[in-house]
Amino acid sequence: QKEVEQDPGPLSVPEGAIVSLNCTYSNSAFQYFMWYRQYSRKGPELLMYTYSSGNKEDGRFTAQVDKSSKYISLFIRDSQPSDSATYLCAMRSQGGSEKLVFGKGTKLTVNP
Amino acid sequence: DTAVSQTPKYLVTQMGNDKSIKCEQNLGHDTMYWYKQDSKKFLKIMFSYNNKELIINETVPNRFSPKSPDKAHLNLHINSLELGDSAVYFCASSARISYNEQFFGPGTRLTVL
Repeated sequence: QKEVEQDPGPLSVPEGAIVSLNCTYSNSAFQYFMWYRQYSRKGPELLMYTYSSGNKEDGRFTAQVDKSSKYISLFIRDSQPSDSATYLCAMRSQGGSEKLVFGKGTKLTVNP
Repeated sequence: DTAVSQTPKYLVTQMGNDKSIKCEQNLGHDTMYWYKQDSKKFLKIMFSYNNKELIINETVPNRFSPKSPDKAHLNLHINSLELGDSAVYFCASSARISYNEQFFGPGTRLTVL
């Protein structure tokens, strides 16, 4: 079993839809959970991060972490064509040099 | 003003050749990384340097050798290139070790023929 599993999609939605992106993981030591967005032919950029369990909201984006289920989600409300990108979850455990472990990414297309 | 830059952007070469990719960051960060993203978009860390010291060295063939001449630069040299080395290589930096926000460069698309 891979440490981080993410459905690669692709996911295609109409503009204005609510999008739900998810990852599951197996390493219970993971404490920090991130979502990166990667536009085509660009490097990833950090969208949001959360520590341990709970929710975090930033504009149209909400990140949720359920450590008991080892499951994280990113919700995008009122999706826009500019949200079309690949979304990668990433996580790491607490520690001085712990690496980020990425999911495979979900490719999202928002159609106008 | 580019934060993390990589050269070259594209690299097409024959099997068996040796090539280098250069990375520079102007963010004043202490930590730099090399990642490999394969054709299925899977992004995996290869190396990490903190203040020129190697701190993460994943299971990578020893044909890959990183070098950090100073904390603003991290280069990647690859010897005896193989077909399976074809991928996009990303350099990234973060302010400190284990900062969650890593700033990625634009990537170097390596194709080995």
